[in-house]
Parts: sequence; structure tokens; C-alpha cells
Amino acid sequence: KAGVTQTPRYLIKTRGQQVTLSCSPISGHRSVSWYQQTPGQGLQFLFEYFSETQRNKGNFPGRFSGRQFSNSRSEMNVSTLELGDSALYLCASSFNRYTEAFFGQGTRLTVV
Amino acid sequence: ILNVEQSPQSLHVQEGDSTNFTCSFPSSNFYALHWYRWETAKSPKALFVMTLNGDEKKKGRISATLNTKEGYSYLYIKGSQPEDSATYLCALRDDMRFGAGTRLTVKP
Repeated sequence: KAGVTQTPRYLIKTRGQQVTLSCSPISGHRSVSWYQQTPGQGLQFLFEYFSETQRNKGNFPGRFSGRQFSNSRSEMNVSTLELGDSALYLCASSFNRYTEAFFGQGTRLTVV
Repeated sequence: ILNVEQSPQSLHVQEGDSTNFTCSFPSSNFYALHWYRWETAKSPKALFVMTLNGDEKKKGRISATLNTKEGYSYLYIKGSQPEDSATYLCALRDDMRFGAGTRLTVKP
């Protein structure tokens, strides 16, 4: 079966702009989580969606938002980009909390 | 413990050595603990999902144990091979907190 698909894979944006990243989960998976990884940092949890509802939210400013559609696809939006937002953004999907999560290849965002 | 903590931060071993890492976590409101393996330039891949106190899971040369009462899990690798070189992450599944990982390097 198809894995988790993230688009785009690479993105370069200018400070102050906004960006939307997309994540298509594995068919049948209703949970989608988003993570940020910056150099020297581990995976920082952004948010988790389950059946179109945000179930958990990490400690990120309100510039970071997300949503999930009825087909479980999820988008993450970052407004007013800052240089520090440059990172690898990963999404992961799972059937529920007790099953393993499958990660996408990530979107590498560079803010200049 | 308020967060998920992993130790050591990095580990360098020789091929054939056996090794183990620790994941410590808050023991309240436990749902499940996940272990992932993250190779450079790839996505993290799940190794184990552990839910019950006393769980022991094994996959080939890799095994893991779980103690939810005291809030820790151990990951063991028997007879390390160069292809085991990766970062090993644990995560609390209730709020998706990941530890910073243990970076393992196995020298031939």
C-alpha cells in the first residue's frame, strides 16, 4: 500500500511569507501528527489530528496551524515565516494511538 | 520526570558489541511507548509499540522492555552491526512527545 506522502519535498520561502505543507496519510489511517526537526534538535511535536479534530498541540506559537480533511489528508500552515522556521517538517499517520506511526519523507523548508 | 529523556545521547561501539539504551518517561497517564529507528536521509521507522507493564518485544537482534510503574524502557541490540548505525528514538504516544534520541555508531 502507498506510504505517507508529503508535498512539496523542498521549499524556499522569504521571511514574512506564509507556507502550506500537505500530508496524505496511509489509507485507513485517521491520525496524523506533525513534527519539526531543526539541526541539533530532536523531533518537536507540533500537533495531532484525529478524524478532523485537533487532539493534541505542542508548544509552538499561533503562527503554526493545521487542519485535517474528511479524507484524513492534513495540511500545516505557517504564517509570517521567520528564519528560525527553517527545518525539516515530518508528518506521521497511524490507525490509532496503540499502533505504529508511519512517517513521510518530510518537507525541507528553508526561509531566507 | 516531565519529559521523555533518552540516554546516552550518543554511543560508539565496535561491530559485534552488544549495547543498550534507556528511555525514561513520566509514568502517569500512560498509553503506549513507541521505539523508532531513524537512519540518516531516511524517515523514522517503527521498531516496537509497547503498551503493557512488563512488555518484552523482540525483532531479530533488537529487543525492548517496558516498566510503566517506574517509567522506563530499555532497547537492547545484540551483536551490533554497522547497519545498526542510526538514531533510536522513543516516544510517548499519549501526547506524542519524543525523546532527543540516542545516536548509535557501529564501527566495523
